[in-house]
Amino acid sequence: DAKTTQPPSMDCAEGRAANLPCNHSTISGNEYVYWYRQIHSQGPQYIIHGLKNNETNEMASLIITEDRKSSTLILPHATLRDTAVYYCIVPFSGNTPLVFGKGTRLSVIA
Amino acid sequence: GAGVSQSPRYKVAKRGQDVALRCDPISGHVSLFWYQQALGQGPEFLTYFQNEAQLDKSGLPSDRFFAERPEGSVSTLKIQRTQQEDSAVYLCASSPGTAAKNIQYFGAGTRLSVL
Repeated sequence: DAKTTQPPSMDCAEGRAANLPCNHSTISGNEYVYWYRQIHSQGPQYIIHGLKNNETNEMASLIITEDRKSSTLILPHATLRDTAVYYCIVPFSGNTPLVFGKGTRLSVIA
Repeated sequence: GAGVSQSPRYKVAKRGQDVALRCDPISGHVSLFWYQQALGQGPEFLTYFQNEAQLDKSGLPSDRFFAERPEGSVSTLKIQRTQQEDSAVYLCASSPGTAAKNIQYFGAGTRLSVL
């Protein structure tokens, strides 16, 4: 079973920030949080990962709470091309099969 | 550079037919994963290779499913005597090595329809 909980769907206006939450209350001290997304008819795409510090790359920012029991993926200026299913994943270790769960379906609206 | 390539992109099979799905991982990637994605669901793990060794096949749903990676690069997922419940998208992913924090790179998948 997935070790994370995400809302099933969210809407976001184009150009606004999209904030996608994830709960992972059973996370262990050395487990990372990964985010992937899947655009329709494509394979999943890696976005970002983190352990306990906030992370930022060219795609998104990842904010992890101090107790590490939840995190938020931030897309700072959502575009229509960001419409996808977003998966928050806590693998058992770095190079093991991913457990995807149901994810959050983000709809970016013009 | 080239990403993960899967072929065919679409496959239609009659029930009872055998099928073979191919995955070309990113060159040099040690690890290779197969996932199955039913309509409206997230991908589910099938099997995992490290080089040519199949380290985990716990997700294969039945003994009709078989995967191989004989030279540690290209992998083939074979389904014998296909059934309608095998209809799904089959995704392949590769990652660079065995260390922690590896990122998996996915192909576009093969959509299998069993009639």
